[in-house]
Amino acid sequence: AQKVTQAQTEISVVEKEDVTLDCVYETRDTTYYLFWYKQPPSGELVFLIRRNSFDEQNEISGRYSWNFQKSTSSFNFTITASQVVDSAVYFCALSDLATGSARQLTFGSGTQLTVLP
Amino acid sequence: KAGVTQTPRYLIKTRGQQVTLSCSPISGHRSVSWYQQTPGQGLQFLFEYFSETQRNKGNFPGRFSGRQFSNSRSEMNVSTLELGDSALYLCASSSEQGARSNEQFFGPGTRLTVL
Repeated sequence: AQKVTQAQTEISVVEKEDVTLDCVYETRDTTYYLFWYKQPPSGELVFLIRRNSFDEQNEISGRYSWNFQKSTSSFNFTITASQVVDSAVYFCALSDLATGSARQLTFGSGTQLTVLP
Repeated sequence: KAGVTQTPRYLIKTRGQQVTLSCSPISGHRSVSWYQQTPGQGLQFLFEYFSETQRNKGNFPGRFSGRQFSNSRSEMNVSTLELGDSALYLCASSSEQGARSNEQFFGPGTRLTVL
């Protein structure tokens, strides 16, 4: 069965600090996809990134970067020089083919990030 | 392109009633998935529709149902509402084609309160 663990329930940082959100996943499939979503107070889930299991290359997008390590089944997300607007709940998610659809996402419990001015 | 739209945004019902929520996917997207978000259970997959057919279903009772129309718009229905059905219901759409076929884009959600 698939499982996504986000052990950090809440993180609070001061603006301009770097912060890393942890994500550990479990799946028996060799083909799977990992995602990060941001949920601001408005409630809408905002897509941030998708990685497939065959691409372990780390990715950087502006202040955001992602570290994918299959050896530790982790897909961590780092925000550099955090800003108040980064305050939100961040979800890590997994999809694989065992569920019958690559579009069925299994979400972690989320990490509430608060960036203080 | 316009994003995923969901109506209504807020809804208050009483126990035993039924409710219908609507979702319009991004233009050109034919896959629509529904998720329930509650403080206790988090985000859970309800079902996925593609070309008017339910392709996958999560672990929810039969009171939860859905359908998809030929224009890809989708509705979900919850009958005999229970207090525990109070949640944010999120709809997501995705394209079926290409390397990004399982990137899902979510709507703003419908917040259902059952009294």
